[in-house]
Amino acid sequence: AQSVTQLDSQVPVFEEAPVELRCNYSSSVSVYLFWYVQYPNQGLQLLLKYLSGSTLVKGINGFEAEFNKSQTSFHLRKPSVHISDTAEYFCAVGENNAGNMLTFGGGTRLMVKP
Amino acid sequence: NAGVTQTPKFQVLKTGQSMTLQCAQDMNHEYMSWYRQDPGMGLRLIHYSVGAGITDQGEVPNGYNVSRSTTEDFPLRLLSAAPSQTSVYFCASWTGARNEQFFGPGTRLTVL
Repeated sequence: AQSVTQLDSQVPVFEEAPVELRCNYSSSVSVYLFWYVQYPNQGLQLLLKYLSGSTLVKGINGFEAEFNKSQTSFHLRKPSVHISDTAEYFCAVGENNAGNMLTFGGGTRLMVKP
Repeated sequence: NAGVTQTPKFQVLKTGQSMTLQCAQDMNHEYMSWYRQDPGMGLRLIHYSVGAGITDQGEVPNGYNVSRSTTEDFPLRLLSAAPSQTSVYFCASWTGARNEQFFGPGTRLTVL
């Protein structure tokens, strides 16, 4: 069985500062990895995904994430955040032999302050 | 394309009442699923379907039923609502070729 741990439930940061949201996973097979963003009172929107190939993945809104197989991590980063990045961020893992069913982490609330 | 649509957006039930949450997608995706979202717990899979006529249980299936008679629709039924089912419910669909799930806007359910 797979699991996902998002180590920080809340991350406060000032506008224009860099941010890293941490995600660790456990799985016994090859995985796909995803980051989704949820703005207040909305559904989930895909930020980026890792399926294979380059371990550095670039997504929308200036976010990127790096897949580290040895550390079973998939941390999300942005060099300079904006107020509009305030949202909840979810890391998810899917196993390629399970119909791509996703297991989600508990979420990290990013709070960008002026 | 409308993507994934869910109705209603909000619902208040009394304990013991039944209701159906509707989900539809117009992308011809073979996979569909229902999640519930609770604070600090992320999204947990309730039921999923890999095609019309085929459904299976997820992590938290108790108290919920599903059916998939068409590719487009995947309703979620609460047979006898309980306060523990107060949550936000999301429907998602995807195709195996793209490995990306598309989510509906959610239904916020309160059971009193």
